[in-house]
Amino acid sequence: DAKTTQPNSMESNEEEPVHLPCNHSTISGTDYIHWYRQLPSQGPEYVIHGLTSNVNNRMASLAIAEDRKSSTLILHRATLRDAAVYYCILREQYGNKLVFGAGTILRVKS
Amino acid sequence: DTEVTQTPKHLVMGMTNKKSLKCEQHMGHRAMYWYKQKAKKPPELMFVYSYEKLSINESVPSRFSPECPNSSLLNLHLHALQPEDSALYLCASSQGPIAKNIQYFGAGTRLSVL
Repeated sequence: DAKTTQPNSMESNEEEPVHLPCNHSTISGTDYIHWYRQLPSQGPEYVIHGLTSNVNNRMASLAIAEDRKSSTLILHRATLRDAAVYYCILREQYGNKLVFGAGTILRVKS
Repeated sequence: DTEVTQTPKHLVMGMTNKKSLKCEQHMGHRAMYWYKQKAKKPPELMFVYSYEKLSINESVPSRFSPECPNSSLLNLHLHALQPEDSALYLCASSQGPIAKNIQYFGAGTRLSVL
């Protein structure tokens, strides 16, 4: 499985945008980029995924670099409820595994 | 309804006990997963069931025995566990096993082995 690299932790102020980076220099052409988050005392929760183009949904936006070697998860207005561990994961096109890396701990200050 | 239900929420067992963890989903998903998560670590995949057949076993010790009785249910049978097996056990499901499909997770069973 291709590897991802994320910062250990990040801090944000409430109601400000947050940009969570992820490097995946060994990504293959058919790997999907998935983001999940895990709130305290809960199971992981899907956030967003993409292949080549930028993606938006009600939770977040995903910006994928043109060479696909990095991506950024964007939370447009962080709230205290967004404090969680955010995982950037590469999934093979026909693979049924989620291989979690260490993730980024996001702290949101009021 | 995007809910994956795991029972029990907490379990304490001795090393000689036999117990089972249960996972249920009613979303019509055909892939189901067991993960293990130690404190302050990411989840690690243990097993994948695809269309009720075991498709991946990540070299998990035989004291963990998965079972998929039907498309909605996934069990994890535990026998002769060790204290180091204490962890949060997470179940997940997805529509199918391919990369585009989202995995939905339960809240987990927190297991303590004494």
